[in-house]
Amino acid sequence: EAGVAQSPRYKIIEKRQSVAFWCNPISGHATLYWYQQILGQGPKLLIQFQNNGVVDDSQLPKDRFSAERLKGVDSTLKIQPAKLEDSAVYLCASRIQGAGGTDTQYFGPGTRLTVL
Amino acid sequence: ILNVEQSPQSLHVQEGDSTNFTCSFPSSNFYALHWYRWETAKSPEALFVMTLNGDEKKKGRISATLNTKEGYSYLYIKGSQPEDSATYLCAFPFSGGYNKLIFGAGTRLAVHP
Repeated sequence: EAGVAQSPRYKIIEKRQSVAFWCNPISGHATLYWYQQILGQGPKLLIQFQNNGVVDDSQLPKDRFSAERLKGVDSTLKIQPAKLEDSAVYLCASRIQGAGGTDTQYFGPGTRLTVL
Repeated sequence: ILNVEQSPQSLHVQEGDSTNFTCSFPSSNFYALHWYRWETAKSPEALFVMTLNGDEKKKGRISATLNTKEGYSYLYIKGSQPEDSATYLCAFPFSGGYNKLIFGAGTRLAVHP
């Protein structure tokens, strides 16, 4: 079974530029997550989709971050414009719809973003 | 706000040493605790999901215990090998229905040959 795919793996941009990340979850997984992991901190949930609907985006900085999951499969996360503090690893994860807190989330390898 | 604490922040050991780390979490409304291993440039990999007080799980040389009443979990590695070098993360579901995981900052383990 193929895992969660993400691209690009690395991205370097200047502040005020825009950037987009792509995620392809495991086939059949209804739930998709985007996390931001800043150096020295644990991953923080940015947004959670159930199929193509948003379940939780309470920690997404909506003035600059946006995300979509068209057709309930692939997802893109965009930052426009980027700030220095957006430098982080952006992780995508997916989970088969199930009971909830005991279900494993499967992660992609992440995109390491550096904002100069 | 939920707080998940991990200690130590980093650890350097020699090959063959045994080691352990701690994850502390809120003891009220416990649902589950997840452990992940994250090697550099790879995807975080699920190690264990622990649900019952007193639970002990094992995967090769890695084992974990759970105390839900006092709010902690230990992860043990017996006879550490260089390939065990990784960041070990624990995570606590905030709202069980939606499985929103709150992660600790992790313990970064380096095993030296």
